[in-house]
Amino acid sequence: EVVLTQSPGTLSLSPGERATLSCRASQSITNTYLAWYQQKPGQAPRLLIYGTYNRASGIPDRFSGSESGTDFTLTISRLEPEDFAVYYCHQYGRTFGQGTKVEIK
Amino acid sequence: EVQLEQSGAEIKKPGESLKISCKGSGDRLITEWIAWVRQRPGKGLEWMGTIYLGDSDTSYNPAFQGQVSISADKSITTAYLQWRSLRASDSAMYYCARRRKLGSVFDYWGQGTQVTVSS
Repeated sequence: EVVLTQSPGTLSLSPGERATLSCRASQSITNTYLAWYQQKPGQAPRLLIYGTYNRASGIPDRFSGSESGTDFTLTISRLEPEDFAVYYCHQYGRTFGQGTKVEIK
Repeated sequence: EVQLEQSGAEIKKPGESLKISCKGSGDRLITEWIAWVRQRPGKGLEWMGTIYLGDSDTSYNPAFQGQVSISADKSITTAYLQWRSLRASDSAMYYCARRRKLGSVFDYWGQGTQVTVSS
C-alpha cells in the first residue's frame, strides 16, 4: 500500500503570504490519482485539486498543484483568511496523508 | 449534482451493534462508488472501504477488513456501515463520500455521522 507523508505538520503564516505544502509518496504513483482536500473545523473535507494539477469546481486560482517524481506540492499563492485549515493529500481513492495544518501566525 | 445525507449521531455502549447510513440523490447515483472515511477526534482521515451501489462490489482497507461491514441497497441508493460489536476506539466521525470515476477522487461528501462508544 502506498504511504503518503505530508510536511510540515503545521505551517504558521500570515494572510497574504505564500503557502507550500508537500506530500511524498512511498512509491511511484500515477499523477491522475493524486488529489488535495481542505478541511475546516466542524466541516466535511472539500475537494480542492484532482489529477495533481486540476482545480475542482469553484476553487480559486490561488490554489495550484504540481509534482516532481514522487513529491507532490499544493501551493496557495496568497493566503486569504478563509484558507487557514487542514489540508490532506489523497491517492487513488485510498490512502490519505496525515495532513498539514495551516495556521495564522 | 450529488447529495449525500447521513444518519444522525449515535451514542452506544461497548459491545453493542450499529448500522449507519448514507443516502444519495442525484443523477445516475446507482452507477457510482461510495466510500466511507473515519476521522477520530483531532486526527486525520482514514479510508475504510468503498462500495459500488449498482452491485455491492466492495473494497476494504486491510486495516478495517473484518472490523466493519459495508453494504448497500441500490433500490434506495443508500450505503451502510455496520459494526457487530463496538469498541471505545470506534468513537469517531464517519463520513461517506462519492468516489468520482475521473481520478478516483472523493468529490461529494456527506455531513458526517458522529459515533460515540462509551460505557
